[in-house]
Amino acid sequence: QKEVEQNSGPLSVPEGAIASLNCTYSDRVSQSFFWYRQYSGKSPELIMSIYSNGDKEDGRFTAQLNKASQYVSLLIRDSQPSDSATYLCAVSGSGNTGKLIFGQGTTLQVKP
Amino acid sequence: KAGVTQTPRYLIKTRGQQVTLSCSPISGHRSVSWYQQTPGQGLQFLFEYFSETQRNKGNFPGRFSGRQFSNSRSEMNVSTLELGDSALYLCASSLRTSGGASYEQYFGPGTRLTVT
Repeated sequence: QKEVEQNSGPLSVPEGAIASLNCTYSDRVSQSFFWYRQYSGKSPELIMSIYSNGDKEDGRFTAQLNKASQYVSLLIRDSQPSDSATYLCAVSGSGNTGKLIFGQGTTLQVKP
Repeated sequence: KAGVTQTPRYLIKTRGQQVTLSCSPISGHRSVSWYQQTPGQGLQFLFEYFSETQRNKGNFPGRFSGRQFSNSRSEMNVSTLELGDSALYLCASSLRTSGGASYEQYFGPGTRLTVT
């Protein structure tokens, strides 16, 4: 079992729709969870961090965390063609660590 | 604030050679983590440096090493290069303190290494 799992996609949504990206993780002691966006040929860009169960909203983005189910998701409202990218879920390793474990990423395509 | 910088941006080496990559973190950030990104394996953690000490290490052979200087700048070195070392090498800086933890990591543009 992979430590962090994401559906590779591609996930295709029409412009203006809500895109829902999901991620599961295996280490129950993980404390920090992140979503990165990576455009082709570029480096990952941090878009959301979440540390507690529940929802966290930032503009058009909402991150949701459920530690009991070991599940974290990212919702993108009013999706735009510029949101087309690969979205990487990252989970902190056990303990006080600067190690992030990444999923393989989900490719999102927003069609005009 | 200036972001994370990495040099060089592109590098071509031959098998058996060694290479040194450099990373300058965001001002005030004391933690630098290094990652390797390949199409097949995705993003994989190499190691983390904080206060000039390696704090964590990923599952890579000893050919991969690094260090951190007193100004938090970091270098990683790969010796005896193999074809499979061709990858995008990314460093990320973080405002990690010695007591607690703030794990938000910000990536540099990466160094694209090609081994021929």
